[in-house]
Amino acid sequence: AAGVIQSPRHLIKEKRETATLKCYPIPRHDTVYWYQQGPGQDPQFLISFYEKMQSDKGSIPDRFSAQQFSDYHSELNMSSLELGDSALYFCASSLDLPRQSGELFFGEGSRLTVL
Amino acid sequence: GENVEQHPSTLSVQEGDSAVIKCTYSDSASNYFPWYKQELGKRPQLIIDIRSNVGEKKDQRIAVTLNKTAKHFSLHITETQPEDSAVYFCAASRYSTLTFGKGTMLLVSP
Repeated sequence: AAGVIQSPRHLIKEKRETATLKCYPIPRHDTVYWYQQGPGQDPQFLISFYEKMQSDKGSIPDRFSAQQFSDYHSELNMSSLELGDSALYFCASSLDLPRQSGELFFGEGSRLTVL
Repeated sequence: GENVEQHPSTLSVQEGDSAVIKCTYSDSASNYFPWYKQELGKRPQLIIDIRSNVGEKKDQRIAVTLNKTAKHFSLHITETQPEDSAVYFCAASRYSTLTFGKGTMLLVSP
């Protein structure tokens, strides 16, 4: 079965540089989420999209932005990178039922290292 | 917003013992409570979930209980095996966005 695809899997950047992460959700899933997980920490919700519109916003820094495209893939853009942005970034997708949460399927994650 | 507390942060058991991890949540409107297992550097993987209209759910060695009045839910793993060693996260959501607990590192010694 198709899973959530994230790219790149690993990314190394210098401080103040820009990075873009991509996510391809499971076909026919209507909601995409981005989570950030620092070392030894729980996943922190950044932002989500439902049918290409932003649906919820969490602790996403102003330096970050995201969007979902017409083919449902999503990109997380991170600018002016800081050392503290080093983390695993997970994308997840779900097919939500009316007034019910659907199961989240996580991608393998993109590991960002900022030097 | 939702706040999820998880205990203990670390749990060490002998192989064959049972393990129990507990979580509390703050938003009484939350209605979906999944549990994830995460191995080092890997993605969280759903192991069991429960919705607010159910008090208990079991899947082989894993069970989850939910007490909506007290706003807490628990994960029970019986007959633990070394391959159960991982970090376990509870989570809660009302519509779709999951809020995670801080995680429990489970160590199962042979």
